Amino acid sequence: KAGVTQTPRYLIKTRGQQVTLSCSPISGHRSVSWYQQTPGQGLQFLFEYFSETQRNKGNFPGRFSGRQFSNSRSEMNVSTLELGDSALYLCASSLDSMNTEAFFGQGTRLTVV
Amino acid sequence: QQQVKQSPQSLIVQKGGIPIINCAYENTAFDYFPWYQQFPGKGPALLIAIRPDVSEKKEGRFTISFNKSAKQFSLHIMDSQPGDSATYFCAASKGNYQLIWGAGTKLIIKP
Repeated sequence: KAGVTQTPRYLIKTRGQQVTLSCSPISGHRSVSWYQQTPGQGLQFLFEYFSETQRNKGNFPGRFSGRQFSNSRSEMNVSTLELGDSALYLCASSLDSMNTEAFFGQGTRLTVV
Repeated sequence: QQQVKQSPQSLIVQKGGIPIINCAYENTAFDYFPWYQQFPGKGPALLIAIRPDVSEKKEGRFTISFNKSAKQFSLHIMDSQPGDSATYFCAASKGNYQLIWGAGTKLIIKP
């Protein structure tokens, strides 16, 4: 079966702009989580969506938002980009619960200049 | 109480050796403890996971040891190979709450 697909793979944006990243989970998976990964900070949890509802939220500012559609596809949006937002953004899908196997996509590498 | 502390930050082991990565947690309500492996340019992938009703779980060359009373769990890699060189993350969660991740261990297996 197809894995988790994240688009685009790479993005370069200017400070102050906004960006939307997309994640298509494995077919049948209803939970989608988003993470920010940076060399010094490891994996930082952004939020999790389950059946179109945000079920868990990390400690990120309101500039980071997300949503999930009825087909479980998810998007995350970052507004008013800052240089510190440069990171690898990973999406993970799981069947339903957070304590079952999560399957990660390859990520979107965002560079803010 | 929500932290998972992972050590060491980096580890270099000769081929055939047994690297050991340790994690400690505070929240006794955690009931799921996975280990993920990440290669450069890839997302993390589940390696092995354990629940607190068992003290050890083996999958191939990978073993999780779980000490509930000490609130610690560790990953052992038997007969390590250069292909095991990767970053390893431990994590913990309870129910439908988010996974709490360790900071990661960069493992290098020397030929």
